[in-house]
Amino acid sequence: NAGVTQTPKFRVLKTGQSMTLLCAQDMNHEYMYWYRQDPGMGLRLIHYSVGEGTTAKGEVPDGYNVSRLKKQNFLLGLESAAPSQTSVYFCASSYSTVALAYEQYFGPGTRLTVT
Amino acid sequence: KNQVEQSPQSLIILEGKNCTLQCNYTVSPFSNLRWYKQDTGRGPVSLTIMTFSENTKSNGRYTATLDADTKQSSLHITASQLSDSASYICVVSEASGTYKYIFGTGTRLKVLA
Repeated sequence: NAGVTQTPKFRVLKTGQSMTLLCAQDMNHEYMYWYRQDPGMGLRLIHYSVGEGTTAKGEVPDGYNVSRLKKQNFLLGLESAAPSQTSVYFCASSYSTVALAYEQYFGPGTRLTVT
Repeated sequence: KNQVEQSPQSLIILEGKNCTLQCNYTVSPFSNLRWYKQDTGRGPVSLTIMTFSENTKSNGRYTATLDADTKQSSLHITASQLSDSASYICVVSEASGTYKYIFGTGTRLKVLA
């Protein structure tokens, strides 16, 4: 099993450009998540999904959109990138809700720089 | 406001020594507490998960404790190794109807030879 994979690993964007980050998991998990990690701050939830075709907003959703057309994939889109979106982005997945103590597995991260 | 605070922010120890990392939280209602290890440039990897009824859980040289009354947790690392150099993150889940998962900012541990 590859676990959780993310594409790309690194990306540099100019302000106003758009891009899509891809997350894939091969563990048949229902729940998937997108986080961002900034220096001196804990991971913050951007959006999450509790199943194929469903998405919900997390703590910091502004400027991002997501889609979960297939159970194994969760896409994060930036329509018009801003320097404030420079961050490391992590995707994660879990079998069910972490509130019930299910394990959450993280991908290796995507380092995004917006100039 | 629900918060998770970790101390110290950073720690340097010699290989073979023990250390203890602290996590205090104000999350309520509480569901479970996790400790993650995050190597530089990698995603977090789970070490332990504890619910409110558990007060100790071990994973090899890592032992986590939980006091749900005082809302404190600790992660004890025994006989440290160079590979233990990483950030250790405490995460607390709310037991509410909606999803809520609060991350601490982590303790950065450096183990020296």
